[in-house]
Amino acid sequence: DTGVSQNPRHKITKRGQNVTFRCDPISEHNRLYWYRQTLGQGPEFLTYFQNEAQLEKSRLLSDRFSAERPKGSFSTLEIQRTEQGDSAMYLCASSSRTSAQNTGELFFGEGSRLTVL
Amino acid sequence: RKEVEQDPGPFNVPEGATVAFNCTYSNSASQSFFWYRQDCRKEPKLLMSVYSSGNEDGRFTAQLNRASQYISLLIRDSKLSDSATYLCVVNGATSGTYKYIFGTGTRLKVLA
Repeated sequence: DTGVSQNPRHKITKRGQNVTFRCDPISEHNRLYWYRQTLGQGPEFLTYFQNEAQLEKSRLLSDRFSAERPKGSFSTLEIQRTEQGDSAMYLCASSSRTSAQNTGELFFGEGSRLTVL
Repeated sequence: RKEVEQDPGPFNVPEGATVAFNCTYSNSASQSFFWYRQDCRKEPKLLMSVYSSGNEDGRFTAQLNRASQYISLLIRDSKLSDSATYLCVVNGATSGTYKYIFGTGTRLKVLA
């Protein structure tokens, strides 16, 4: 399978714990995005990378959220001191320079569902 | 005001009907526009890009009105399989940025 891969698919944690999600993009894609989606809402932009550089981060993202993309390959999204309001589906997407310019196509993973108790 | 706004629906239509969705965006400098489809409990997938001159792909027609800052999607001859959430997506407003902003989505249910 050469699509976008996310792990874990499901995570249940207690409030106050830290969680980390991993995203492996399509191998030749240089851009990687993180979105958060709650029920009945569209994906909410969190941040995106071009290669290893984090080019933009949502102002809605608190300091408890951090994302990295070392070496421009896989990415991790860490949430520290989780709160119940963090419960959501965390979606990762990737695109290549060519696909983004020509079609705007983001290729999404199946997401990581977080439940904070 | 949200950057991208859509009527959440649901739109319940019979098979064979024509249905249209609109989407408005707030930043007049936005550069590119798209419609994505999201099935229940699945990830979003690109349906079609939206070009200034309007474009068609089979039963789907997308149009852009830059002056009024809205995007539309028309689905003709609706099929049961068209039931999904349709997400309006706008690309960032500054040159060189590839930040994609999604609307809330409009739910469509096509009824037999």
